[in-house]
Amino acid sequence: QSVLTQPPSASGTPGQTITISCSGSSSNIRRNTVNWYQQLPGTAPKLLIHSNNQRPSGVPDRFSGSKSGTSASLAISGLQSEDEADYYCAAWDDSLNGWVFGGGTKLTVL
Amino acid sequence: EVQLVESGGGLVQPGRSLRLSCATSGFTFDDYAMHWVRQVPGKGLEWVSGISWNSGSRIYADSVKGRFTISRDNGQHSLYMQMNDLRSEDTALYYCAKDVGRGLHWMNWFDPWGQGTLVIVSS
Repeated sequence: QSVLTQPPSASGTPGQTITISCSGSSSNIRRNTVNWYQQLPGTAPKLLIHSNNQRPSGVPDRFSGSKSGTSASLAISGLQSEDEADYYCAAWDDSLNGWVFGGGTKLTVL
Repeated sequence: EVQLVESGGGLVQPGRSLRLSCATSGFTFDDYAMHWVRQVPGKGLEWVSGISWNSGSRIYADSVKGRFTISRDNGQHSLYMQMNDLRSEDTALYYCAKDVGRGLHWMNWFDPWGQGTLVIVSS
């Protein structure tokens, strides 16, 4: 049972926009920044979004992040087949004194 | 290019010990905090432990506290994890990840990650 809650799966067709939610609490998302990681099949996780909504260089602007209260969201617009991956949200948890991850969302591009 | 290469994984019996290593290159190792994150094959990510740039701060997930010890050798640009009293639930792929800051700070994130080393705890 992960501290941050994500839907286990999401899907969309090429060109579509999808959103992945990440629900937390006052001890993590409300007080601290949220980061998102993308894990392509068979590879290590890669930073996708940091500090709620900041894209590292090299990440397409099709990816965007937002946060409100105890929840965060990752939006992917203009969906492409290469976006098929697992997506994880993460944040520092003040109560646990450590980082916590969501359970991950498997994105399928139909 | 930043590179993180984990090693030391393998098959180990419950109750035994294992030491993981993460060799790094391409950045000034002693300027950054480092972390271990694990992933049961086919499952999600779990942060395990983090260490500040000068080893002054070390933190652990409750699931490994008292059994795992994180350390680093700045002269060797390497990160370590001593894993004692291993349990079946410790079976996972262990990733080494570089922090973006010196300390273990809530504002930070992990970038990049190594490819991982697999630990299997089984009799």
